[in-house]
Amino acid sequence: EADIYQTPRYLVIGTGKKITLECSQTMGHDKMYWYQQDPGMELHLIHYSYGVNSTEKGDLSSESTVSRIRTEHFPLTLESARPSHTSQYLCASSEWGSSYEQYFGPGTRLTVT
Amino acid sequence: AQSVTQLGSHVSVSEGALVLLRCNYSSSVPPYLFWYVQYPNQGLQLLLKYTSAATLVKGINGFEAEFKKSETSFHLTKPSAHMSDAAEYFCAVSDGGNTGNQFYFGTGTSLTVIP
Repeated sequence: EADIYQTPRYLVIGTGKKITLECSQTMGHDKMYWYQQDPGMELHLIHYSYGVNSTEKGDLSSESTVSRIRTEHFPLTLESARPSHTSQYLCASSEWGSSYEQYFGPGTRLTVT
Repeated sequence: AQSVTQLGSHVSVSEGALVLLRCNYSSSVPPYLFWYVQYPNQGLQLLLKYTSAATLVKGINGFEAEFKKSETSFHLTKPSAHMSDAAEYFCAVSDGGNTGNQFYFGTGTSLTVIP
């Protein structure tokens, strides 16, 4: 079944640790996105990709980095987690074109202590 | 530049009552508009989208939205609220530019359904 997956769903980690949030999609979409969402607030785009070897920063400044080595995989890495990184992270993908919707994964809720 | 404004961060309705969630957009090009629903601890699920075909768009779970260019609005409605409709709702506009379909989301409206 075509879908978009995120792991882990929940993560509690100490300050200074390196973490990678995984995102994979089986829909063959070229475009992928990472959003940060704080409780009760809008989604902020932090990274996006047009395809393999393409990555761009979004509207919200983020200390995270991303890579796109395979079409289906778009991991997000925090080299040194801080309490300010505590948030929900949503991954999405879409076909190329403005009329196409974005499909979202279930999200990763990150807590940095 | 594109943007979306959702009026009312919290809306409460009685079960069986009309649901009306407001969304106004600003776009320098003909917009593509979307409504998403988010249940607790989940990602966003598409309810419906407007892509310049019919101005009245029907979506899943009995929701519909009407595109009104003169009012730059895309309000979401449902004739009769159900308890399962309680969730966060987001309106979004696609930029339609060369950067592909970047979305601009509103701040969301939390819908509470009172039994």
